[in-house]
Amino acid sequence: GDSVTQMEGPVTLSEEAFLTINCTYTATGYPSLFWYVQYPGEGLQLLLKATKADDKGSNKGFEATYRKETTSFHLEKGSVQVSDSAVYFCALSELSGSARQLTFGSGTQLTVLP
Amino acid sequence: GAGVSQTPSNKVTEKGKYVELRCDPISGHTALYWYRQSLGQGPEFLIYFQGTGAADDSGLPNDRFFAVRPEGSVSTLKIQRTERGDSAVYLCASSLGEQDTQYFGPGTRLTVL
Repeated sequence: GDSVTQMEGPVTLSEEAFLTINCTYTATGYPSLFWYVQYPGEGLQLLLKATKADDKGSNKGFEATYRKETTSFHLEKGSVQVSDSAVYFCALSELSGSARQLTFGSGTQLTVLP
Repeated sequence: GAGVSQTPSNKVTEKGKYVELRCDPISGHTALYWYRQSLGQGPEFLIYFQGTGAADDSGLPNDRFFAVRPEGSVSTLKIQRTERGDSAVYLCASSLGEQDTQYFGPGTRLTVL
């Protein structure tokens, strides 16, 4: 079945540092790929997505490129801020029957220190 | 506009009891999903509704779990004879259609003592 493996946390960075959170996936077809973020005390929010190979999703300074050859969707940001502290989830969805259920990784806790 | 809402936000119950968790999706969203998130893990799919019908219930762990969406809007997740292993955060998400972005509610934290 489909699965998502993402970088173990927690990750602690200083403000303005470069961020990479690795994500690789296994899927039987051609999934769409997502990064969701969960800020403290809030629900899951879509951060960015990519629906086909070589697409780049971007939002709030974060980027991720859909790499079919390496089955990866790594999240990057050039300069993190304290407000980026959150848990980040990589996810995929693939049509299964009539559903587009999401399969999530286990999450990576990011803490950014001032 | 209003997002997905879930009630209660917290539920503490005793082993063997019955619980109901409610989800109010975004108005007009036809697709509704339930997920379960255990501590330190990502959410896991439980069931998906398109309109009033359960289109995919392959993620329900056993027959103690059941969900309904009788009028195609509000959904209720029902758990019978709760077990300590059912303790988790239960998340609801809705989307405009089945291939659209899923918007998540804040979740219901269920604790079974």
